[in-house]
Amino acid sequence: TQLLEQSPQFLSIQEGENLTVYCNSSSVFSSLQWYRQEPGEGPVLLVTVVTGGEVKKLKRLTFQFGDARKDSSLHITAAQPGDTGLYLCAGATSGTYKYIFGTGTRLKVLA
Amino acid sequence: GAVVSQHPSRVICKSGTSVKIECRSLDFQATTMFWYRQFPKQSLMLMATSNEGSKATYEQGVEKDKFLINHASLTLSTLTVTSAHPEDSSFYICSAFVVSGGADTQYFGPGTRLTVL
Repeated sequence: TQLLEQSPQFLSIQEGENLTVYCNSSSVFSSLQWYRQEPGEGPVLLVTVVTGGEVKKLKRLTFQFGDARKDSSLHITAAQPGDTGLYLCAGATSGTYKYIFGTGTRLKVLA
Repeated sequence: GAVVSQHPSRVICKSGTSVKIECRSLDFQATTMFWYRQFPKQSLMLMATSNEGSKATYEQGVEKDKFLINHASLTLSTLTVTSAHPEDSSFYICSAFVVSGGADTQYFGPGTRLTVL
């Protein structure tokens, strides 16, 4: 069973600080996605990366897919209280549409 | 964007009863839907892949006779938790999978909170 480990598990920071969340696996993924989930709701897709080394930016969020397509990172610049939530990475291996979710990173941004 | 609904949003039932949860894609068709379970403060765990017109594929450790999945149409998949017990209490989330122009996207439902007394 492939495992996607995220670090850190929990993160509490002040508004305006920068942070990076990591998603690591020993498996190679054909596609990796990042989601944000609010309590009591379903996850919302932030980005999909498919090419090794790919970098995508979404406003203050920067996503990178590792060269070997085994890991990914999410960097948030100047975090805001609205960024608070559970961040999840999810990867699919070649030949399947089935995504396995990472262990999750719970972020809290204090005003 | 594409919308996926789940019904009910919350359900409380007695131990031993069965509960059916519906997952609908409202403005698109999905041949594949996924069912996940999420325990408090944990990530999503894939339970099964639901394919329209065929049997669901269950993940290792998920009892297919306990979690019955039916995908009778391109817009509806149902998950029935049979003979529910307190340990089945969880947040159940479905997603509808769409492949478009080589880009695959999962659209998630809002989830169903199941509490078994």
